[in-house]
Amino acid sequence: DAKTTQPTSMDCAEGRAANLPCNHSTISGNEYVYWYRQIHSQGPQYIIHGLKNNETNEMASLIITEDRKSSTLILPHATLRDTAVYYCILNFHLLAGGTSYGKLTFGQGTILTVHP
Amino acid sequence: DVKVTQSSRYLVKRTGEKVFLECVQDMDHENMFWYRQDPGLGLRLIYFSYDVKMKEKGDIPEGYSVSREKKERFSLILESASTNQTSMYLCASSLLTGPNTEAFFGQGTRLTVV
Repeated sequence: DAKTTQPTSMDCAEGRAANLPCNHSTISGNEYVYWYRQIHSQGPQYIIHGLKNNETNEMASLIITEDRKSSTLILPHATLRDTAVYYCILNFHLLAGGTSYGKLTFGQGTILTVHP
Repeated sequence: DVKVTQSSRYLVKRTGEKVFLECVQDMDHENMFWYRQDPGLGLRLIYFSYDVKMKEKGDIPEGYSVSREKKERFSLILESASTNQTSMYLCASSLLTGPNTEAFFGQGTRLTVV
C-alpha cells in the first residue's frame, strides 16, 4: 500500500486559512486521497476526498497536484473547534470474492492547533 | 445520519479473559472495520469484513478474531486478553462501492487489561 507523509504538527490563527500538506509520492492510479480528522476522545470524522481534480465541500477544499504525488487540505477560516489530528490517507481499492471494497490505512496525522 | 455504535465506551478486563467488543451500524453498510489506536502509532487496522460471514486480516490481526453473523453487527474478540492489548478500539463502516466512499466511525472503546 502507498504511504503518506504529513508534518507532525502545525499551528494556525483563528479566522485564518489552515493549509495542511500531505505527500504520497508512491500513490497508484486507483487510490483516492482521503482526509479525516479526529477531535480528542472522538472517532475519526470524514472531511473530503478526491482522485485527480480539486474538490470543495462545506468543510474544506482539497488540492491535488497534477502528478498526484501530494495534496493540501485547506480549512478556509479555521476556528478553535478545528483543533484536531488530521489524517491524510489513501483508499486502496481491493478485490475479494468478486466484489470491491476500500481499505483505509491511517498514518500518524498532523496535530493542528488553532489559537485565538 | 449514519450511526456506528460501540457497546462500551470504557472496559476493564483481566489478563486471560475472553473479551467481546461489539459494533452495530444502522445504515446497511457492507464494509465494517476494527482498528486500534495507540499513542505514537496512529490507527492500525485489525480486521475488516465486506459481507456477512466474510472477514479479512488487516495489518495487526494477531491475538484477535472477529465475527459477522449479521450485516449490521461486527464483533471483535480477544481470545485471551493481554496487557499489550490495552488500547482504544475503533469500529467503522462504509458502503461497498469501491474506493469512492467514506467510512463512518464509532466513538471508540477504551479497553484496559490488568
